[in-house]
Amino acid sequence: AQSVSQHNHHVILSEAASLELGCNYSYGGTVNLFWYVQYPGQHLQLLLKYFSGDPLVKGIKGFEAEFIKSKFSFNLRKPSVQWSDTAEYFCAVNPPPITGGGNKLTFGTGTQLKVEL
Amino acid sequence: DTEVTQTPKHLVMGMTNKKSLKCEQHMGHRAMYWYKQKAKKPPELMFVYSYEKLSINESVPSRFSPECPNSSLLNLHLHALQPEDSALYLCASSPGPPGFAANTGELFFGEGSRLTVL
Repeated sequence: AQSVSQHNHHVILSEAASLELGCNYSYGGTVNLFWYVQYPGQHLQLLLKYFSGDPLVKGIKGFEAEFIKSKFSFNLRKPSVQWSDTAEYFCAVNPPPITGGGNKLTFGTGTQLKVEL
Repeated sequence: DTEVTQTPKHLVMGMTNKKSLKCEQHMGHRAMYWYKQKAKKPPELMFVYSYEKLSINESVPSRFSPECPNSSLLNLHLHALQPEDSALYLCASSPGPPGFAANTGELFFGEGSRLTVL
């Protein structure tokens, strides 16, 4: 079945550690890819997006993500996390209409990141 | 700050009450969405309005009734809800609707209305 998978459900890191959150999708064809972040008690915010071009995209707050088409992956990275990065991170995919997605944004199950001091 | 404004931020209602959630955007977007988000879960699509017409209803129970009075406003009318309907209700907008060639899928979310049904 078509899906978006985030394999890390809970991640705990110490400040200054490096972060990589996995995201895999199963749609064929061209897709648009997103990472959203939801800080405790706050709304969803766009962290970064990939539409086309350079597969390494940079977002806000030092985050970046790499689109690897052959692996159907769009992993999120940050070299050095801060306590303020504690949040829920959602990968999202806009599948192509041909797969029946109808251009509806589909979210992964989310990864809860906790950064400890 | 988000450019999609939702009111109220918090709502507590009984199962026999009638209430409404409101959403407003002034970005000139032509598609607006209602999502439901339970704790520790991803947002789930409920409704999509495209050019002020309901284009997608994800088999949502009729106790939820959406309304789009104009291109900037989106309401969600609530009636006879159940305790399991307690959740964060998110409004979003996008420049183009699902199925629109130029739609990239990027959504702009409001802060949400946290609903508790007693």
